[in-house]
Amino acid sequence: QVQLQESGPGLVKPSQTLSLTCTVSGGSIAGDSYYWTWIRQPAGIGLEWIGRISASGSTHYNPSLKSRVSISIDTSKNQFSLKVNSVTATDTAVYYCAREVKYPSNWLFDSWGQGTQVTVSS
Amino acid sequence: DIVMTQSPLSLPVTPGEPASISCRSSQSLLNSNGFHYLDWYLQKPGQSPQVLIYLASTRASGVPDRFSGSGSGTDFTLKISRVEAEDVGVYYCMQALQIPKTFGQGTKVEI
Repeated sequence: QVQLQESGPGLVKPSQTLSLTCTVSGGSIAGDSYYWTWIRQPAGIGLEWIGRISASGSTHYNPSLKSRVSISIDTSKNQFSLKVNSVTATDTAVYYCAREVKYPSNWLFDSWGQGTQVTVSS
Repeated sequence: DIVMTQSPLSLPVTPGEPASISCRSSQSLLNSNGFHYLDWYLQKPGQSPQVLIYLASTRASGVPDRFSGSGSGTDFTLKISRVEAEDVGVYYCMQALQIPKTFGQGTKVEI
């Protein structure tokens, strides 16, 4: 069964860049049947979809974050990554990586990482 | 963006009794293929979300049959026929029709 694990700094200073990596184990990150996604959850608030990337590098971003967000993939390392530029306190959240798998009529989040807390503070 | 609105936001439940959560979208989630792109997720305490229902009414693999989803257009419902203690957590609806995918605020179910 595929497993996802987020890693990266838990504390980022305002105006700096938040960088996280998701390592996939138990399965290959390659293939056109998957999208690799980042979702975040500020404390006490619901879930916010950040964006996703395919193994071929095709990306989709949330327009509310698009100017500050970049998602990349490294199939040789079975990893994908998230960068958020110019962070502020509002970027403080638990960040999840997740896999979307292609079904006949839809895409479905079938695997999630455990989440990693990122706090933006000086 | 499609706005998702859930109610209630907090739902006290009694084991063995039924429970119901509503989700409304700001526009129809009906795709041209005839499916409604509405998913339900449960986030148990201290865990990541897990899918319960997709395409409005299809139970995901391994999900007990006490969970059911229904609805069409902009109005959807998740029902638990008989609540069990392990069902506590926050339930989210999510529209999967458009990018960005958007979630409801969440409904906290507690015993």
